[in-house]
Amino acid sequence: GQNIDQPTEMTATEGAIVQINCTYQTSGFNGLFWYQQHAGEAPTFLSYNVLDGLEEKGRFSSFLSRSKGYSYLLLKELQMKDSASYLCAQPRMDSSYKLIFGSGTRLLVRP
Amino acid sequence: SAVISQKPSRDICQRGTSLTIQCQVDSQVTMMFWYRQQPGQSLTLIATANQGSEATYESGFVIDKFPISRPNLTFSTLTVSNMSPEDSSIYLCSVEDPPGAGALNTEAFFGQGTRLTVV
Repeated sequence: GQNIDQPTEMTATEGAIVQINCTYQTSGFNGLFWYQQHAGEAPTFLSYNVLDGLEEKGRFSSFLSRSKGYSYLLLKELQMKDSASYLCAQPRMDSSYKLIFGSGTRLLVRP
Repeated sequence: SAVISQKPSRDICQRGTSLTIQCQVDSQVTMMFWYRQQPGQSLTLIATANQGSEATYESGFVIDKFPISRPNLTFSTLTVSNMSPEDSSIYLCSVEDPPGAGALNTEAFFGQGTRLTVV
């Protein structure tokens, strides 16, 4: 099956920068998603990468290397409200509209 | 972006009973999905809700346990039948539309989820 790996937990300080890594299966690649999920809430879309390189959206950026099967989410100028789980996901090989999610990285931002 | 209303937002149910969760979208969508998120875990796809035909279930999920309806392109229901404490999870409705011409990606939109506790 498709395996998506990301760290379970990370801790960072308010105002700092944090990078959350994700490795995924490269065969049948059809894009890589990042979602943010606050405790008790639904996931919300952050980014979608299908081409190599870095895409910046305000404080959040997402990077993709298709040859390495690697992506990361970069969060700058961390705020307390960024404490959440960050989910890496990719479309399934048998159906691009169905997503496989990683286990999520729980980020704790401390003052 | 699609706006999804899911209800109930939470419920506490007795084991052996059933709960039906509703998902209403503010526009017609082709694909509707139901996910489960068990405590501390990520999302797992239960089934695809197909308009006009039976739902398509993923491995490990069966229609008798999770019957699904999709009467039209804006609405679906998921029933969790004969509940046990192991069914305590967050259940999420999700929708996607195929990308339009020139668009690079689809985007999955999620309802706010139904937090189910079975006692």
